[in-house]
Amino acid sequence: SAVISQKPSRDICQRGTSLTIQCQVDSQVTMMFWYRQQPGQSLTLIATANQGSEATYESGFVIDKFPISRPNLTFSTLTVSNMSPEDSSIYLCSVEKGSGGATEAFFGQGTRLTVV
Amino acid sequence: GESVGLHLPTLSVQEGDNSIINCAYSNSASDYFIWYKQESGKGPQFIIDIRSNMDKRQGQRVTVLLNKTVKHLSLQIAATQPGDSAVYFCAESPPGGSQGNLIFGKGTKLSVKP
Repeated sequence: SAVISQKPSRDICQRGTSLTIQCQVDSQVTMMFWYRQQPGQSLTLIATANQGSEATYESGFVIDKFPISRPNLTFSTLTVSNMSPEDSSIYLCSVEKGSGGATEAFFGQGTRLTVV
Repeated sequence: GESVGLHLPTLSVQEGDNSIINCAYSNSASDYFIWYKQESGKGPQFIIDIRSNMDKRQGQRVTVLLNKTVKHLSLQIAATQPGDSAVYFCAESPPGGSQGNLIFGKGTKLSVKP
């Protein structure tokens, strides 16, 4: 399994500001993923972050709005830039970890962001 | 963006009854499917998975059924308990992607009455 810690767990931010969310994993992983969960809705993948390369963004998400860092195999950050109330969501970090030929996706507890 | 709606489908069951949660997936070529449980204030927690070469898989008190013909997944929970109350999501892994790159379904809120 993998233990994932996200910071902050929640925040209330002013529109126009930026927030950086940290994700720390208790073991080295190749791939890390960032998801958004808007209020009352399902999870949507924002981007995939591999160490040593640029993050790969899904349709509808761009690097200028959601810059990602992946400095090593246990850590990643997601920044939500120039925030508006529409960015109010839960942001979740996920990792893929395998054993015995099978892999599984594990999730952090999420960062609940409210933009006012 | 478009607002899908702020209310999840809800399934309300009596404690001890069996629960069946259904999900339609989008990509007929997806080869891996997972059910997640999300409790309030927490991230999704893995429950059970199934690969496309199977149509049924059983775990402890849970069973997942896969019908590829109609692109349908179901999660059966036996003897539902109050601790099972949560939102349940199905997720699919499209072909060619890693198993952490998931497409999630809309979710169903399970409410267990004592």
